[in-house]
Amino acid sequence: GENVEQHPSTLSVQEGDSAVIKCTYSDSASNYFPWYKQELGKRPQLIIDIRSNVGEKKDQRIAVTLNKTAKHFSLHITETQPEDSAVYFCAASNEDSSYKLIFGSGTRLLVRP
Amino acid sequence: SAVISQKPSRDICQRGTSLTIQCQVDSQVTMMFWYRQQPGQSLTLIATANQGSEATYESGFVIDKFPISRPNLTFSTLTVSNMSPEDSSIYLCSVEGGRGGNYGYTFGSGTRLTVV
Repeated sequence: GENVEQHPSTLSVQEGDSAVIKCTYSDSASNYFPWYKQELGKRPQLIIDIRSNVGEKKDQRIAVTLNKTAKHFSLHITETQPEDSAVYFCAASNEDSSYKLIFGSGTRLLVRP
Repeated sequence: SAVISQKPSRDICQRGTSLTIQCQVDSQVTMMFWYRQQPGQSLTLIATANQGSEATYESGFVIDKFPISRPNLTFSTLTVSNMSPEDSSIYLCSVEGGRGGNYGYTFGSGTRLTVV
């Protein structure tokens, strides 16, 4: 089955700097890759996603890149703000079969004011 | 995107008892999923709830411990049976937002379970 690895487990950046979180997946049939932000005590919230037919997607300060050959994808947050502090999870699924989302282990991002 | 109502939001239960968690979706969805999130950990998929058939369980999870019902396309329940302290966790349901759309997967607000 699918296995998703996520790095780093913790990341501390200065406000205004960029943050990059990386994930690799094992199942080449996976074709949908969302990123979730989870604040303490709250449910995961989708922040951006990408499908395997594109290599990059941007939404304001957030971008995701996908390298299908290497089976890895990354989340990029620019101009970080203290409110970006949270746990971020990557995930992968195959929308042509099971649809189930398999999650990475999470990255705790701390943005220092 | 779909809106999910999950209840209860939290409960404290005695070991050996069972708790049933409910998820109600405001629209018909094909796929519903149940996850467990232990404190400080990631989300682990328990099972996929299929309407009209038995749930599909992931490795390490069994129907006797986590029976699931899916009577229609808007509702599902997860029961945590014969609970032990190791079952203390947050349980979340999730639905797939729709093929071809940009809704992604939505999560319920979670059920924080403490077994004493």
